[in-house]
Amino acid sequence: DAGITQSPRYKITETGRQVTLMCHQTWSHSYMFWYRQDLGHGLRLIYYSAAADITDKGEVPDGYVVSRSKTENFPLTLESATRSQTSVYFCASSESMGKIETQYFGPGTRLLVL
Amino acid sequence: LAKTTQPISMDSYEGQEVNITCSHNNIATNDYITWYQQFPSQGPRFIIQGYKTKVTNEVASLFIPADRKSSTLSLPRVSLSDTAVYYCLVGPEASGTYKYIFGTGTRLKVLA
Repeated sequence: DAGITQSPRYKITETGRQVTLMCHQTWSHSYMFWYRQDLGHGLRLIYYSAAADITDKGEVPDGYVVSRSKTENFPLTLESATRSQTSVYFCASSESMGKIETQYFGPGTRLLVL
Repeated sequence: LAKTTQPISMDSYEGQEVNITCSHNNIATNDYITWYQQFPSQGPRFIIQGYKTKVTNEVASLFIPADRKSSTLSLPRVSLSDTAVYYCLVGPEASGTYKYIFGTGTRLKVLA
């Protein structure tokens, strides 16, 4: 019963490098989400996906790219990392949207951009 | 937009009941009220959800008045392990989407 996993758990990179954060869920949930959490800002939605090949922007999408070729995976790519993208990133999934459903969160990825 | 307002922090002692109130004056007719809990270094987890009146589960109770402009999360007899950040969410943010705004939450500290 793996649930939802994220990798890597910790990542240090340099400004300008491309970084991809992985998210994998074993429930076959339709919806998946990426959030970032910074001190003083709570959690902010970056992107979400309603199904494979369907994605939409959240509050803070600039500088990020997502894809969803398979239902179970939702990678987040920082095409050219900046120091302001230093944060903790959480992936989440949810079963459906027909009725309000809860979101299940992964353990998070701590990213440091030098 | 259904913006929420909740206290930044609260302190309590073990064994006490804790009530955290969230204001959402412009809640929409179809909006649900959902509370999440987040421990340090972990992702948030669902606590309770409601639409109106009172909802109770094994963890907490949620009180929603008739006008639904506020809600109160009640944690009975808290313990040190209830120290966490509690988020009140109202939404989804826009009809036909699944966007929720978490905000900064209420940091609850339970003291011995």
